[in-house]
Amino acid sequence: KQEVTQIPAALSVPEGENLVLNCSFTDSAIYNLQWFRQDPGKGLTSLLLIQSSQREQTSGRLNASLDKSSGRSTLYIAASQPGDSATYLCAVRTGHTDKLIFGTGTRLQVFP
Amino acid sequence: KAGVTQTPRYLIKTRGQQVTLSCSPISGHRSVSWYQQTPGQGLQFLFEYFSETQRNKGNFPGRFSGRQFSNSRSEMNVSTLELGDSALYLCASSGGTGGGNTIYFGEGSWLTVV
Repeated sequence: KQEVTQIPAALSVPEGENLVLNCSFTDSAIYNLQWFRQDPGKGLTSLLLIQSSQREQTSGRLNASLDKSSGRSTLYIAASQPGDSATYLCAVRTGHTDKLIFGTGTRLQVFP
Repeated sequence: KAGVTQTPRYLIKTRGQQVTLSCSPISGHRSVSWYQQTPGQGLQFLFEYFSETQRNKGNFPGRFSGRQFSNSRSEMNVSTLELGDSALYLCASSGGTGGGNTIYFGEGSWLTVV
């Protein structure tokens, strides 16, 4: 059974720092992995999608990497800003469907 | 282009009642899935529909059901509500047939059962 874990559970940093959020999954047979952010009381916003054949994806200050063999993905946030404060979730697809298995999330706070 | 739209946004129901939540996917998207989010269990998959057919189902009791219409809009229904059904219910849509596409979520429906 696929399990997805995120470390750390919470992170508080000053503005301007570069951050790394970690996501681990137990079964390397994934279809793809998607990173989301969730603001309090809101839905999920898609950040990056990495296909199983890809090693990384970039969007602006965000870079996500994927190492299927070790069951790990990282989300790198460059030059963090207070507006980055949110919960970050990773989710894996294990088959040819839209069923996502979510991680436990990392709650990020960036203070000025 | 409009995103995934869910209605109602907030609702309060009494134990034993039933509730129906609605989801309109992004225009052109044919796959709709539903998730339940609670503080204790996190985000859990409920079911997925594609072209009016349920393609996948999560590990929830039969009180939870859903359907998809020919215009891809979807509804989920929870019968005989229990206190533990209080949660944020999220709908998501994608344009692909086979899991390779980005999934987009709506703002969710907050259900409180009293």
